[in-house]
This record gives sequence, structure tokens and C-alpha cells, in this order.
Amino acid sequence: AQKVTQAQTEISVVEKEDVTLDCVYETRDTTYYLFWYKQPPSGELVFLIRRNSFDEQNEISGRYSWNFQKSTSSFNFTITASQVVDSAVYFCALAGGATNKLIFGTGTLLAVQP
Amino acid sequence: GAVVSQHPSWVICKSGTSVKIECRSLDFQATTMFWYRQFPKQSLMLMATSNEGSKATYEQGVEKDKFLINHASLTLSTLTVTSAHPEDSSFYICSARDGRLEGTQYFGPGTRLTVL
Repeated sequence: AQKVTQAQTEISVVEKEDVTLDCVYETRDTTYYLFWYKQPPSGELVFLIRRNSFDEQNEISGRYSWNFQKSTSSFNFTITASQVVDSAVYFCALAGGATNKLIFGTGTLLAVQP
Repeated sequence: GAVVSQHPSWVICKSGTSVKIECRSLDFQATTMFWYRQFPKQSLMLMATSNEGSKATYEQGVEKDKFLINHASLTLSTLTVTSAHPEDSSFYICSARDGRLEGTQYFGPGTRLTVL
């Protein structure tokens, strides 16, 4: 069975703080993909990153960075110097198997206070 | 980037009427599109997988006769909520899979349906 766990339901930080969103996944597939999506109050899901199971290199994109560790089945997302515009619900998702359906975590609501 | 549009963005209808929601991939062809439903403060729930030129595959518990899906072309999928009732009120989101980035789904802006 495939599963994605985002244990943090809500996080509140003050602007300019760094924040890490946790994601732990379960799968028996050897080939799979991991994703992060952002859902601002407008509702649209914005694609942030895709990682395949064979690429454990960490990635940095501006203030965003991702840490993928197969040994702990984790794919954590860090925002450095957070801004109010980062306030949103962030979903971690897993796709694997023949269907490549996305399995979503329950999401983490990030509130960045000015 | 890959852009997916959805229309309408919101709709209010009377109980018993049918509502059609369109999902279009604007700058890529999508052989597979997906329809999700999202309740307030919850995650996305996959309703069905829509494949161009064939019947949709529905998830367990989703009524295929109530939620009609048609994927008539490589850029358009439609979801029709038939005989809508207040319990069908929800946020419906479509996505399209872009084959250029395997496994990746790009999402439309969503449609908020309110059934009175």
C-alpha cells in the first residue's frame, strides 16, 4: 500500500524565519515519484517539485530546498526567510506503480505572520 | 510551463439540475486527466481517471452515473454532475498529466459548486 504522511497539520512562523515541512512516505514500488504542491487561498494547486526515486540529490530553488532521504522515506521541504506570500497549504504527494495515481498527504497549513 | 484551465470557476445551481465543468490543457496534450474533489480543510480525493477516447475509471465509492466524465480530445475533459443535490456541493479540481515530465500532474484552478 502507498501512503503519505504529513504529521504537521498547521505551522505558524513569523516572517523571515526558516520553516521545514515534513513528509514521510510508504511504498513498495522501486520506481516512484515524489512531489510538493502549494495550494494558496485561491485554491489552485501549484506544482513545486518532482523527484524520482533514483535521484537523492537535494535541490534548491531560490528560498526553497528539498531533502530526499530514501533511508528514512522522507522528502522534507524547507523555506528559508519565509514571507507572508508563502502562506498556503502544502501537499506532499507520491506517484508510483502502473497507474501513477497521485497519493496525497493531508497537507500542512503554513501561516507566515508579518 | 504546463497550464490547465477549468471553467467555470464557480457555479450555483438548484437541486436537481445538472452542471458541466470543463478542464482544458492549454499548452500540452494530455492523454490522461484526473478529477478530484476537495472538502474544506481536507486533502484531495481522487474521483476518476479520464483517458482520451475511452471510458473513465472511477474510484471506489464514486457513482459513475452521477459524475459523468467525457474525455473527447487530447486537451479537453468534462465532468457533469447530474441531478445535483446539496451534498454534491464541493470544490472540484481537475488535473492533466504531462508526458514530458513523467508522473507529473498539473492542476486547474478548481470549480466551486454550490447546490441550493
